[in-house]
Amino acid sequence: DSGVTQTPKHLITATGQRVTLRCSPRSGDLSVYWYQQSLDQGLQFLIHYYNGEERAKGNILERFSAQQFPDLHSELNLSSLELGDSALYFCASSPGDEWNQPQHFGDGTRLSIL
Amino acid sequence: AQSVAQPEDQVNVAEGNPLTVKCTYSVSGNPYLFWYVQYPNRGLQFLLKYITGDNLVKGSYGFEAEFNKSQTSFHLKKPSALVSDSALYFCVLYYGQNFVFGPGTRLSVLP
Repeated sequence: DSGVTQTPKHLITATGQRVTLRCSPRSGDLSVYWYQQSLDQGLQFLIHYYNGEERAKGNILERFSAQQFPDLHSELNLSSLELGDSALYFCASSPGDEWNQPQHFGDGTRLSIL
Repeated sequence: AQSVAQPEDQVNVAEGNPLTVKCTYSVSGNPYLFWYVQYPNRGLQFLLKYITGDNLVKGSYGFEAEFNKSQTSFHLKKPSALVSDSALYFCVLYYGQNFVFGPGTRLSVLP
C-alpha cells in the first residue's frame, strides 16, 4: 500500500460532461503529481502541485484543471469530456518539491467516456 | 526534443536467469533518469534513479541499472529473475520540469 488514496476507482460518464477526481497524498507529503495513462498515448505527466501552489505543467489540456487544498488533498477537474479522455488517471505524492524524489503512486481512477 | 525509447515491447526470461530491460534516451543536456514498475491494476512503484555520480545505480528489490552516456542508455538489470518480477516496466526521463515516459516493457518471468 503506497498510502496514496484516489477516489473514485471507476467513473463512467458521457461526452460533454465534467468530472472531478480526488487524491489524498501520503501523510506528510506536500507534493502531488497527476498523470494520465491511455492506450494510444501511454503515460503522460499532467501537472505538479506543492503545498497548494502549482509548480509545473506538462501535457495538460486547457479543458483540464487541478488544485491542491490546504489539507493537501488535490482534485483534477476534467470538463467538456471527449471519448479520447478515457484513460487511467494517477496521482502520486512525494515529501518535498524536488523533482528527484521517488514518487508514491495511487492505484488510479479509471475514467470511461461513453 | 527529449524522448525515451524502450525497444522491446516484451521480454521473456526464465526464473533464475539474469534479466535486462533496455532503455535509450535523447536529451540536450544532462539526463535525469528513473525506472518504475507497474503491477496489474496498480499504480507505479519507484525502483531507482540516476542523477549524477556512479554509472551503476542500485535500487529496490535487487534491481540495478547501468547508465551509459556514450550510448545514451539506461538499462535495467537483475542478476536472478523471480516470477514475481513479472510486470510492466517504465523508463522515465526528467527534463525541463517535465517527466517523459517510455512506452513500457512487459517482463514475463517463466517458472
